[in-house]
Amino acid sequence: DAKTTQPTSMDCAEGRAANLPCNHSTISGNEYVYWYRQIHSQGPQYIIHGLKNNETNEMASLIITEDRKSSTLILPHATLRDTAVYYCIAPEGGTSYGKLTFGQGTILTVHP
Amino acid sequence: EAGVAQSPRYKIIEKRQSVAFWCNPISGHATLYWYQQILGQGPKLLIQFQNNGVVDDSQLPKDRFSAERLKGVDSTLKIQPAKLEDSAVYLCASSSAVWNQETQYFGPGTRLLVL
Repeated sequence: DAKTTQPTSMDCAEGRAANLPCNHSTISGNEYVYWYRQIHSQGPQYIIHGLKNNETNEMASLIITEDRKSSTLILPHATLRDTAVYYCIAPEGGTSYGKLTFGQGTILTVHP
Repeated sequence: EAGVAQSPRYKIIEKRQSVAFWCNPISGHATLYWYQQILGQGPKLLIQFQNNGVVDDSQLPKDRFSAERLKGVDSTLKIQPAKLEDSAVYLCASSSAVWNQETQYFGPGTRLLVL
């Protein structure tokens, strides 16, 4: 997998946008960027993924830089329930079909 | 749509005992994964099945861990004998395996404590 680098922790006020950065400077042209999150005592949950273009769904927006070396996950109106560990992953294509390698992730704490 | 089911949710055993975990993936999902998550770390892939065949088991400690997916649906992960360092959450995930666009859906996990 392409190596990803994320801040260890971040804070966000409830109702404000949470912007979680991720660096993936070694990503190759056919590798998607995936975001998952893990709320305490639960299994990871898929959030969003993208290749080149910005993506938006009901949970979040994903902004990928033009050179694809970094991306930002945006939770537009964070709630207390968004407190979780957020993982940015660039799964390797080719022979590692579908394999996700989780790093340490970013611990996002949303406070009142 | 029912999610990924796992049982048991919690298990406490003594070292050198055996333990088995069960996973029922989302209906129709061809790919099934087992992950190990040690406290404070991200999940680590142990084994990946495509239908009932093993795609990747490179990180499975084969001297003590085994897994099977009979009939390409349910799966069982076994540890025999367990060691203290096997204390972790064991997560099962499944996906529908569309090339490079697949989303993995995770179960709630089985929390194992080895004493």
